[in-house]
Amino acid sequence: DAMVIQNPRYQVTQFGKPVTLSCSQTLNHNVMYWYQQKSSQAPKLLFHYYDKDFNNEADTPDNFQSRRPNTSFCFLDIRSPGLGDAAMYLCATSREAQGATSGANVLTFGAGSRLTVL
Amino acid sequence: GQNIDQPTEMTATEGAIVQINCTYQTSGFNGLFWYQQHAGEAPTFLSYNVLDGLEEKGRFSSFLSRSKGYSYLLLKELQMKDSASYLCAVMDSNYQLIWGAGTKLIIKP
Repeated sequence: DAMVIQNPRYQVTQFGKPVTLSCSQTLNHNVMYWYQQKSSQAPKLLFHYYDKDFNNEADTPDNFQSRRPNTSFCFLDIRSPGLGDAAMYLCATSREAQGATSGANVLTFGAGSRLTVL
Repeated sequence: GQNIDQPTEMTATEGAIVQINCTYQTSGFNGLFWYQQHAGEAPTFLSYNVLDGLEEKGRFSSFLSRSKGYSYLLLKELQMKDSASYLCAVMDSNYQLIWGAGTKLIIKP
């Protein structure tokens, strides 16, 4: 089945120790997103790629970086995790970001990577 | 600013009907989405409305009134597995998704 796969599902790190989360997709979607979600809160968009074009949200801290080496893969790097970065990190894909038509712009999410910072 | 409002929590009984409301104020409108999210899991897509009216999909229906900036998700014949958070999200004029904080639905036997 075509899907979005995130690894690892659970990541424990120490304060300040870099972390990389990965996301792969077999849907051939051209848009990939990284969201941060804390308990009982709305998902917060960190950045997204439209094909190779990188779009950083204005309030995304510099501590968060992303790479998309090819269509299928996307990485989230947290350079120096703080206690406030403990959250669920969700990768999502969609067929296109603009020109909304029926079925387009529906996000397909991966299962998420839950980050714990000690 | 852009804003999505939905109740924080609702409780309903198994077999009953529940309506989850969502009001929004956004810069433009390119559709409204409802997602279901079970605890500790990723959101899954439920419905998409871009025109006024009711969209029915099995036990779930979603309604939109663009003039009122209002939508609701209607769940019929509630089952215990429907216990989850329901997220309302609106796509604005820049095709950015604005998310609500979600409504936690608790189903009691």
